[in-house]
Amino acid sequence: DTAVSQTPKYLVTQMGNDKSIKCEQNLGHDTMYWYKQDSKKFLKIMFSYNNKELIINETVPNRFSPKSPDKAHLNLHINSLELGDSAVYFCASSPGILGQPQHFGDGTRLSIL
Amino acid sequence: DAKTTQPPSMDCAEGRAANLPCNHSTISGNEYVYWYRQIHSQGPQYIIHGLKNNETNEMASLIITEDRKSSTLILPHATLRDTAVYYCIVRVSAFGAAGNKLTFGGGTRVLVKP
Repeated sequence: DTAVSQTPKYLVTQMGNDKSIKCEQNLGHDTMYWYKQDSKKFLKIMFSYNNKELIINETVPNRFSPKSPDKAHLNLHINSLELGDSAVYFCASSPGILGQPQHFGDGTRLSIL
Repeated sequence: DAKTTQPPSMDCAEGRAANLPCNHSTISGNEYVYWYRQIHSQGPQYIIHGLKNNETNEMASLIITEDRKSSTLILPHATLRDTAVYYCIVRVSAFGAAGNKLTFGGGTRVLVKP
């Protein structure tokens, strides 16, 4: 009965590859997010979607492309992976865009060789 | 950029109250104070938030000073499972993107000892 689930939990791949991370929430929320936590443990927002529409797009390389097929899913596709992309990526959701508390998944640890 | 200052670490004894301070001297009138925590290998977990009144829920209490320039998160009876990094975040009360953006700082690493 996990509220926000991400797959895979671990992802090890080589530089230059293309990979996707999937996120699903069963909370009935309208808004979903992707955050990146780097080696220094700082969490930074990357993207947010509300009802499948992009509402937050921080300064992220265009190699990162989020896709929201429906309100319950927000996937993150990364092209041409670089060493600096190694991090833990967290998906989150909230009921809407009124600043309600966000619920986070347990993260996907991406390691680039 | 984070607009809060927290001590990098603190220890507390199991069963005792843990008082976690946070300075947010540049907070605006329409900004809320939020607290999240991150237990090792898990995603952040929402704890509590407030605007200017003190707040309490089943997890913790939040005390905000009258001038709103600082706040304290209180865990009334700390357990070993409360060991985590605790983040104090100020967030503008706004509809849409601005109000939904959480900016995490370095947080306070809390170690609850037996």
